[in-house]
Amino acid sequence: GQNIDQPTEMTATEGAIVQINCTYQTSGFNGLFWYQQHAGEAPTFLSYNVLDGLEEKGRFSSFLSRSKGYSYLLLKELQMKDSASYLCAVEDSNYQLIWGAGTKLIIKP
Amino acid sequence: DTGVSQDPRHKITKRGQNVTFRCDPISEHNRLYWYRQTLGQGPEFLTYFQNEAQLEKSRLLSDRFSAERPKGSFSTLEIQRTEQGDSAMYLCASSSTNSAGPYNSPLHFGNGTRLTVT
Repeated sequence: GQNIDQPTEMTATEGAIVQINCTYQTSGFNGLFWYQQHAGEAPTFLSYNVLDGLEEKGRFSSFLSRSKGYSYLLLKELQMKDSASYLCAVEDSNYQLIWGAGTKLIIKP
Repeated sequence: DTGVSQDPRHKITKRGQNVTFRCDPISEHNRLYWYRQTLGQGPEFLTYFQNEAQLEKSRLLSDRFSAERPKGSFSTLEIQRTEQGDSAMYLCASSSTNSAGPYNSPLHFGNGTRLTVT
């Protein structure tokens, strides 16, 4: 079967750095997305990785290793507004988008 | 670009009633998706349109669910004979891409319709 694994919940301190991991087992791979979702709101796009390596976008970076079926989202200089769920999603070879259950990130002052 | 809009934001209905939700995608987007999400879970795919053609429908979707996109612009999702298990957030998303795969450009989500079946 197809599976996306993420930690259910993480806690970090304002101003610090946090890494949210995502491992996947899918039928092929066409790309990996990270989305942010605040409580009661729609998911919003953060990043897209299709090749191995690190993609940096301001305070957020996303890393992909296709051989390991692994990605992480790195958030730097954490702010209280970063408290949200972070969803990892993988597009498989059949163009299906497989979603993880999300990681709820709690930021403490 | 006014974003993806969904109507209504909230819907409370009694079991057995029919409900219809509307989604207006970003105007230049040719692809439109419906998802369902429950608390603590990722979005669950329901169906997907390219222009007015419904290209894919989840095998998990019962015959009580139907979606249309008659003119390739707005879409409606209807649930007939609602059940308590249908209570969820129904999300619509749109994207624009010319490639074969439906997901190689980011999805833009609406704020969803929260359905409560009593």
